[in-house]
Amino acid sequence: EAGVAQSPRYKIIEKRQSVAFWCNPISGHATLYWYQQILGQGPKLLIQFQNNGVVDDSQLPKDRFSAERLKGVDSTLKIQPAKLEDSAVYLCASSPLTDTQYFGPGTRLTVL
Amino acid sequence: KQEVTQIPAALSVPEGENLVLNCSFTDSAIYNLQWFRQDPGKGLTSLLLIQSSQREQTSGRLNASLDKSSGRSTLYIAASQPGDSATYLCAVRGLYSGAGSYQLTFGKGTKLSVIP
Repeated sequence: EAGVAQSPRYKIIEKRQSVAFWCNPISGHATLYWYQQILGQGPKLLIQFQNNGVVDDSQLPKDRFSAERLKGVDSTLKIQPAKLEDSAVYLCASSPLTDTQYFGPGTRLTVL
Repeated sequence: KQEVTQIPAALSVPEGENLVLNCSFTDSAIYNLQWFRQDPGKGLTSLLLIQSSQREQTSGRLNASLDKSSGRSTLYIAASQPGDSATYLCAVRGLYSGAGSYQLTFGKGTKLSVIP
């Protein structure tokens, strides 16, 4: 079974630029999550989708972050414009309507 | 607001030793608690999930316990091996995280090094 795929693996941008991350969940998983993990911290949930709909985006900074999940499969997370404090690893996870979440390898973002 | 604390932040042990990692949480109104493993440059792997009604879960050399009333969990690793070296994260799912939400609150993790 293929795991959760994420791209790119690494990204370096200047502050105020825009960036987008892509996630392909495990086939058949209805729920998809985006997490932000700052160095030395545990992951923080940014947004949870169930199929096409948003279940929880209470911790998403909506003034600069946006996410979409088209057709209930792939998802894209965008930051526009980026700030220095957005430097982190962005993790995508998926689950089949259970508590077990399967994580991708993450995208390491560096904002200069 | 739920807060999860993990002690120690880092731990180094010789191969073969038994060890205990600790996790505490401030709000006992939880749905469940999970222990994850994170290897450098990789995502998280779920190790054990304990429902709030359970006291412990076991998988191979790993045993996790939960004392919800005191807000504590421990992860016991028996006969440690160099391959166990990783960061171990504890996470709780709150009872009141919203309809359908699986929001987890994570601790900062314990970085374990097992020396051959």
